[in-house]
Amino acid sequence: DTGVSQDPRHKITKRGQNVTFRCDPISEHNRLYWYRQTLGQGPEFLTYFQNEAQLEKSRLLSDRFSAERPKGSFSTLEIQRTEQGDSAMYLCASSSQGTNEKLFFGSGTQLSVL
Amino acid sequence: AQKVTQAQTEISVVEKEDVTLDCVYETRDTTYYLFWYKQPPSGELVFLIRRNSFDEQNEISGRYSWNFQKSTSSFNFTITASQVVDSAVYFCALLSNFGNEKLTFGTGTRLTIIP
Repeated sequence: DTGVSQDPRHKITKRGQNVTFRCDPISEHNRLYWYRQTLGQGPEFLTYFQNEAQLEKSRLLSDRFSAERPKGSFSTLEIQRTEQGDSAMYLCASSSQGTNEKLFFGSGTQLSVL
Repeated sequence: AQKVTQAQTEISVVEKEDVTLDCVYETRDTTYYLFWYKQPPSGELVFLIRRNSFDEQNEISGRYSWNFQKSTSSFNFTITASQVVDSAVYFCALLSNFGNEKLTFGTGTRLTIIP
């Protein structure tokens, strides 16, 4: 399977705990995106990387959120001190530079904060 | 600012009927791209089509067709002879301001095809 992979598929945590999600993009893609999707809404942009550089972060990304892509391959998204409002589907996508944002999405990580 | 509106929250049709999903967008840019994505129950967003603002030619791909009209800022999606496998949530999205790297999505339309 050469698509975008996300792990885990589901995560249940208690409020105040830290969680980390992983995304493995399509291998030849140099751009990687994180989006968040809540029930009944479309995906909302969080941040994106070109290779290992984080080029833009949304105002939705509070200080409790941090994303990394250390070697320009896989990426991690960490949420510290989770809150119930963080409950959502976290989607990762990747693309090749110059394709005008034809994004390929993973199946997402569904986070539930109790 | 840019915005995508999908006024139809849910649509149900009987199998083999045709169905059109509406999408209206707002942008001040003259160069922009419009997209449709399908999200089946598995959750993965599947790319369907990308159009740029300079190409208003309608497109047909099998049972799918898209009608892009700049005059009304609309990019509607029609499924002909619908099938149960078409049941999903469909999202319209906009990329504007050349060099801006993020898609703006609509709220989606949940399509249910009744066998």
